[in-house]
Amino acid sequence: EAGVAQSPRYKIIEKRQSVAFWCNPISGHATLYWYQQILGQGPKLLIQFQNNGVVDDSQLPKDRFSAERLKGVDSTLKIQPAKLEDSAVYLCASTPSGYNEQFFGPGTRLTVL
Amino acid sequence: ILNVEQSPQSLHVQEGDSTNFTCGFPSSNFYALHWYRWETAKSPEALFVMTLNGDEKKKGRISATLNTKEGYSYLYIKGSQPEDSATYLCALTGGTSYGKLTFGQGTILTVHP
Repeated sequence: EAGVAQSPRYKIIEKRQSVAFWCNPISGHATLYWYQQILGQGPKLLIQFQNNGVVDDSQLPKDRFSAERLKGVDSTLKIQPAKLEDSAVYLCASTPSGYNEQFFGPGTRLTVL
Repeated sequence: ILNVEQSPQSLHVQEGDSTNFTCGFPSSNFYALHWYRWETAKSPEALFVMTLNGDEKKKGRISATLNTKEGYSYLYIKGSQPEDSATYLCALTGGTSYGKLTFGQGTILTVHP
């Protein structure tokens, strides 16, 4: 069974630029999560989708971050414009439904200069 | 807001040593406690999911215990090997969280040959 795929794996941009990350969850998984992991901290939930609907985006900085999961499968997370403090690993996870074990992708490591 | 605390932040041990880490969490609104292992440049890998007070789980040389009444979990590694070097994350699922994980800051384990 293929795991959660993410791309790119690494990205370096300058502040005020835009960036987008892509996630392809495990086939059949209805729930998809984006987490942000800043160095020295644990991952923090940014947004949770159930199919193509948003369940929780309370910790998403909506002035600069956006995410979508239009067909209930792949998802993209965008930052526009990026700030230095956005440097982090962005993890995507999926699960058949909430409260089950979450399966993680390898993450995208973003560096904002 | 759930607060999950892990200790120690980092640990250096010699090959063959046994070690343990602690995860503390609020005992109210508990649904499940997860342990993940995260090796550099790889996906976080689920080790255990525990839901019942007194749960003990084992996978090879790694085991975990859960005390939901006092709000802590221990992860034990017996006879550490260099390949055990990783960040160990614990995460809590609350009863009203729709399955989202609230992570501790992690324990970075380095096993020296």
